[in-house]
Amino acid sequence: DQQVKQNSPSLSVQEGRISILNCDYTNSMFDYFLWYKKYPAEGPTFLISISSIKDKNEDGRFTVFLNKSAKHLSLHIVPSQPGDSAVYFCAASAVGGGSEKLVFGKGTKLTVNP
Amino acid sequence: EPEVTQTPSHQVTQMGQEVILRCVPISNHLYFYWYRQILGQKVEFLVSFYNNEISEKSEIFDDQFSVERPDGSNFTLKIRSTKLEDSAMYFCASSVGGGYYEQYFGPGTRLTVT
Repeated sequence: DQQVKQNSPSLSVQEGRISILNCDYTNSMFDYFLWYKKYPAEGPTFLISISSIKDKNEDGRFTVFLNKSAKHLSLHIVPSQPGDSAVYFCAASAVGGGSEKLVFGKGTKLTVNP
Repeated sequence: EPEVTQTPSHQVTQMGQEVILRCVPISNHLYFYWYRQILGQKVEFLVSFYNNEISEKSEIFDDQFSVERPDGSNFTLKIRSTKLEDSAMYFCASSVGGGYYEQYFGPGTRLTVT
């Protein structure tokens, strides 16, 4: 059941450059999307979210873009910092369909090199 | 900053034993969730709980599982008769509302069934 896919298991970028993490989904009922960051032995930490009525949401260094027609979203981190090194999870829910459960992707491990 | 807490951080139990995992959600949150992550796999939804009732549950959440909010602060997950395949990280999460609200996760309890 791969309703949320993160096809890149890992990404390496230089400090100060842009990190772009991608996520695709298949369930057209999904209307709320979130990004979480996770360090080893910790729980997921909420970063940013977007509902399907928007195509962009920005919070500081983090911007999420949503392309509904392509069923694709991306997280941009600018500028990237070494402390951003973690596993990033994309998650989605079908709130309008009455479900709050989050469906997660497998995650992308981001490494930001000094 | 308010956070979700979970105890214990690590629980080792023998197959067939009952375990109770405990969570203290963020104090003004009304919606509560359990997720789990088996090693190397995705984070997967177990159950959501609101107004002292289960609002949604996954296929994983069978009769061996139960949830309870015994008082105004704790939220528990009970597994009646643990199996080897129940070994996983269990995450509690809470949100201020249902719908388009982010879920905040605790640090997790690592359950090892031997």
